[in-house]
Amino acid sequence: GENVEQHPSTLSVQEGDSAVIKCTYSDSASNYFPWYKQELGKGPQLIIDIRSNVGEKKDQRIAVTLNKTAKHFSLHITETQPEDSAVYFCAARLSNFGNEKLTFGTGTRLTIIP
Amino acid sequence: DAGVIQSPRHEVTEMGQEVTLRCKPISGHNSLFWYRQTMMRGLELLIYFNNNVPIDDSGMPEDRFSAKMPNASFSTLKIQPSEPRDSAVYFCASSRIRDGHGYTFGSGTRLTVV
Repeated sequence: GENVEQHPSTLSVQEGDSAVIKCTYSDSASNYFPWYKQELGKGPQLIIDIRSNVGEKKDQRIAVTLNKTAKHFSLHITETQPEDSAVYFCAARLSNFGNEKLTFGTGTRLTIIP
Repeated sequence: DAGVIQSPRHEVTEMGQEVTLRCKPISGHNSLFWYRQTMMRGLELLIYFNNNVPIDDSGMPEDRFSAKMPNASFSTLKIQPSEPRDSAVYFCASSRIRDGHGYTFGSGTRLTVV
């Protein structure tokens, strides 16, 4: 089955600086890669996703890049703010359809230092 | 839209007791997923349903765990008998089969078995 590795496990960044979280996946057939943000006491929330036919996607301060050849994808957060502090999870899925399971990375605890 | 609704939010039970966790998916969503989250193992998929039918229960740890989805708007995860190592946060998530995006998670049930 699919295996997703995520690094780093913890990341501290000065407010206003950028944060980068990286993930690798094992199954070259995977074609959908979402990122989730989990705040304390809450469930994971989808913040951005990318499909295998796209190399980069941006949404305001958040961007995701995908390298299919190397089988890795990254989350970039620019101009970080205190409310960005949370645990971030990457995931991979074999299908474009919502009925297939997501395999999650182990999470990155991001702390924004004021 | 009220989102995915899970109950109870917190459950404390004694070892050996039966525990039932409940989930109401988003109306119109026809895929439902049960995940368990622990510090050691991260987010693990336990079981998922498409159109109320269990598709993959390979993540269910033991026969003590069972899940049902009697209709499109309700699912249960039962642990009988419960053990201290079952202590975790259990999440339910739902999606539409033909929706190419990720799941929507509920707020989770924090289970403590003493």
